[in-house]
Amino acid sequence: QKEVEQDPGPLSVPEGAIVSLNCTYSNSAFQYFMWYRQYSRKGPELLMYTYSSGNKEDGRFTAQVDKSSKYISLFIRDSQPSDSATYLCAMSDLLFSGNTGKLIFGQGTTLQVKP
Amino acid sequence: DAGVIQSPRHEVTEMGQEVTLRCKPISGHDYLFWYRQTMMRGLELLIYFNNNVPIDDSGMPEDRFSAKMPNASFSTLKIQPSEPRDSAVYFCASSLWGYYEQYFGPGTRLTVT
Repeated sequence: QKEVEQDPGPLSVPEGAIVSLNCTYSNSAFQYFMWYRQYSRKGPELLMYTYSSGNKEDGRFTAQVDKSSKYISLFIRDSQPSDSATYLCAMSDLLFSGNTGKLIFGQGTTLQVKP
Repeated sequence: DAGVIQSPRHEVTEMGQEVTLRCKPISGHDYLFWYRQTMMRGLELLIYFNNNVPIDDSGMPEDRFSAKMPNASFSTLKIQPSEPRDSAVYFCASSLWGYYEQYFGPGTRLTVT
């Protein structure tokens, strides 16, 4: 079993839809949770970052972490064609501490928003 | 800043040949990461360095893979000999201690025939 599971999709939605992207994980030591966005033939870029449990909102994007269920989500409101990309969740137990702190990525979910 | 620079952007080689991928991290960053991305396995961490010293190479798949960081502004990932199953996109990323964000380069698309 992988440490981080993410449905690869693809997910296709009409413009304006609310999108929900999810990851589950098995390591209860994870405390830092991130979402990276990767456009086609580009490197991933950090989109959202959350520490421990709770919600974080940034414009049309909301990240949620439920540590009790080992489940994280990214919601995109009023989705736009420019949101079409692969979204990767990533998590870490302790950043920059000895040999730990490396990010474990999900496989990524490919999202297409149709005009 | 130009961001993380990787070269070459594309590499096509024949099985058995040596392949060298290059990375220049963002100036001032003290962490450097090498990843491999495939459809089947997603984004996998191969090795990372802190202040030019390899910290964790547990993701390096085999002895055919090696990585070096001779100075703060340059790193290489070498595959010798290359095999078709090494075909993937290889990313280099860098970050600064105390900051969680990793900055990725554009990647090198490797095809081994």
